[in-house]
Amino acid sequence: KAGVTQTPRYLIKTRGQQVTLSCSPISGHRSVSWYQQTPGQGLQFLFEYFSETQRNKGNFPGRFSGRQFSNSRSEMNVSTLELGDSALYLCASSLKDGSPLHFGNGTRLTVT
Amino acid sequence: AQSVTQLGSHVSVSEGALVLLRCNYSSSVPPYLFWYVQYPNQGLQLLLKYTSAATLVKGINGFEAEFKKSETSFHLTKPSAHMSDAAEYFCAVSDLGGYNKLIFGAGTRLAVHP
Repeated sequence: KAGVTQTPRYLIKTRGQQVTLSCSPISGHRSVSWYQQTPGQGLQFLFEYFSETQRNKGNFPGRFSGRQFSNSRSEMNVSTLELGDSALYLCASSLKDGSPLHFGNGTRLTVT
Repeated sequence: AQSVTQLGSHVSVSEGALVLLRCNYSSSVPPYLFWYVQYPNQGLQLLLKYTSAATLVKGINGFEAEFKKSETSFHLTKPSAHMSDAAEYFCAVSDLGGYNKLIFGAGTRLAVHP
C-alpha cells in the first residue's frame, strides 16, 4: 500500500506570493492533518480535515488555509507569504480516531 | 494546555550502549502518547504508541517505552544502540480536543558513536 504522498518536495517562493501544497493520504484514510516544522518552533499542528470538513485548527493566522476533496486528498494554501513561513510542511493521514498518524516526507518551502 | 517536555536536545551514546530518551507530559487525563523518529529529509515514522492497554509498550526496531502516570513520564529506551538509530526522536501527546491533533516535544537528536 502506498504511503502518504506530498508534492512538491521543494518549493522556493518570494515574499508576498501564495503557495499550494498537495497531500494524497493512504488509501482508505479519511483524516488528513497538516503540521509545520521549523527549527525555532518545532512541530506545530495546522489543521485537520475529515470527510471534507475541517475538524480542528491550530493557532495560525488566516493566511493558512486548507481543504479536503471527496477522494480524501488535501491541499493547504498559504497566501501573502512571509519569510517566517519557510518550513517543512508535513501531512499525515489516519484511518480513524485513535489510529496512528502516518506522515509523508513533507514539502520544504523556502520564502525569499 | 497540554505540553510535552523532552529532556536533552542532544544525546550521544556509543554503539551497543543503552539508549534512554526522556519525555514528560502534562495532562489531566491519561492521554494517547507517541514516540516518532525522523531521519534526515524524511517525515516522521511511528515508533510506538501508548493507549492505556499496557504500561510497557514495545515498538519497532527494538525500542520500548514505559508509561508512568505518577511521574507523568513516557521515556523511550533501547538496550543496545545501533549506528542506524542516529536520528531525531519526538515524543507527542494527543490533544484533548482531538485525537489527531498532536502536541510534540522539541525533539532529541540521538548520535551513536562507534
